[in-house]
Amino acid sequence: GAGVSQSPSNKVTEKGKDVELRCDPISGHTALYWYRQSLGQGLEFLIYFQGNSAPDKSGLPSDRFSAERTGGSVSTLTIQRTQQEDSAVYLCASSLFGLGNTGELFFGEGSRLTVL
Amino acid sequence: AQSVAQPEDQVNVAEGNPLTVKCTYSVSGNPYLFWYVQYPNRGLQFLLKYITGDNLVKGSYGFEAEFNKSQTSFHLKKPSALVSDSALYFCAVRVHTGTASKLTFGTGTRLQVTL
Repeated sequence: GAGVSQSPSNKVTEKGKDVELRCDPISGHTALYWYRQSLGQGLEFLIYFQGNSAPDKSGLPSDRFSAERTGGSVSTLTIQRTQQEDSAVYLCASSLFGLGNTGELFFGEGSRLTVL
Repeated sequence: AQSVAQPEDQVNVAEGNPLTVKCTYSVSGNPYLFWYVQYPNRGLQFLLKYITGDNLVKGSYGFEAEFNKSQTSFHLKKPSALVSDSALYFCAVRVHTGTASKLTFGTGTRLQVTL
């Protein structure tokens, strides 16, 4: 597609339920990033994929959070047993080769998660 | 730890006046610095970057930023603000971790431009 696509754009769930957030990066982009943006906070790095592997998953806040990427393209971020503190906007970004060259990331519009 | 700081939560400026959004950095080695803008209910958009070379970097929408090594700053500027510039602005620095690179963002500064 022309840009980074994320779905769903909005998700309301009950505490304790599992959620899956999807990211479809720009075609041909090998690097994919997940960030979390909480109200009043900056962007918090979660995980980075290069191809299908994740060389840096240091930002995942707990073992309830996991992510995978298949075919070097679509990525899914899964949050198990959601908690109210998981409420945030989850942003996905992609770049052509990772940040080795230009450092420019292309962001999707985010998935807003609300945990009741 | 490598990081950026944005000391102002909000900046208010009248349309037509110059604007400055501040950013300071703390990195080891040469910094790669970026500015992104976020309009309401949208993702972030790249504005400009400093990698090397000229300390004054020009970017999209008439924005520019000045890299100052002695003051470890990378302030975003525009000579004449527009109401449509009202948005959330993020400064970021590239951070290497092993074989990976990522952008670490500041907490953001909300720019409000009024008539």
